[in-house]
Amino acid sequence: GESVGLHLPTLSVQEGDNSIINCAYSNSASDYFIWYKQESGKGPQFIIDIRSNMDKRQGQRVTVLLNKTVKHLSLQIAATQPGDSAVYFCAVKGGADGLTFGKGTHLIIQP
Amino acid sequence: EPEVTQTPSHQVTQMGQEVILRCVPISNHLYFYWYRQILGQKVEFLVSFYNNEISEKSEIFDDQFSVERPDGSNFTLKIRSTKLEDSAMYFCARRTNTEAFFGQGTRLTVV
Repeated sequence: GESVGLHLPTLSVQEGDNSIINCAYSNSASDYFIWYKQESGKGPQFIIDIRSNMDKRQGQRVTVLLNKTVKHLSLQIAATQPGDSAVYFCAVKGGADGLTFGKGTHLIIQP
Repeated sequence: EPEVTQTPSHQVTQMGQEVILRCVPISNHLYFYWYRQILGQKVEFLVSFYNNEISEKSEIFDDQFSVERPDGSNFTLKIRSTKLEDSAMYFCARRTNTEAFFGQGTRLTVV
């Protein structure tokens, strides 16, 4: 089955700096990837997604990069704001109905 | 996107008791999911429900769990005889073709 891991449980950045959150997955057949943001006491909230036929996708202040060769996924947040403080999960879909989630990186924005 | 409403937001129950967690999707999607998140751990897939039937379930979803859509609107997760290790946040999600939209979750505390 799929396993999904993140490299850092906590990431602390200065307000205004860029942040990069990483994720690794195990199943080379995985074809769809999502980044979720989870604020304290709330459910996961969709941020951005990418399919396996792409290697980069940009949203508003966020960019997702996919490296299928090494099975690595990253989320870049530009010009971080206090409201970006949350736990960020990657989720991977590899053919089955359910998404497999990573454990999450807690992003802390320092003033 | 319209969200998913879960009730109750917090449920405290004694070990061995039955609990029913409820989810009301606003739109009439066919795919629904239950996930759980034990404090500090990964979001884990429990079960997917399609067209009023279970389509996939994880190893966690054993005989003490069941799901129903009793009135065509509410979507319920029943835990027959709760254990201490069932304490977690339980998230209901609905799915489009690709991504899942999550409810705010029910915090289940088994004492």
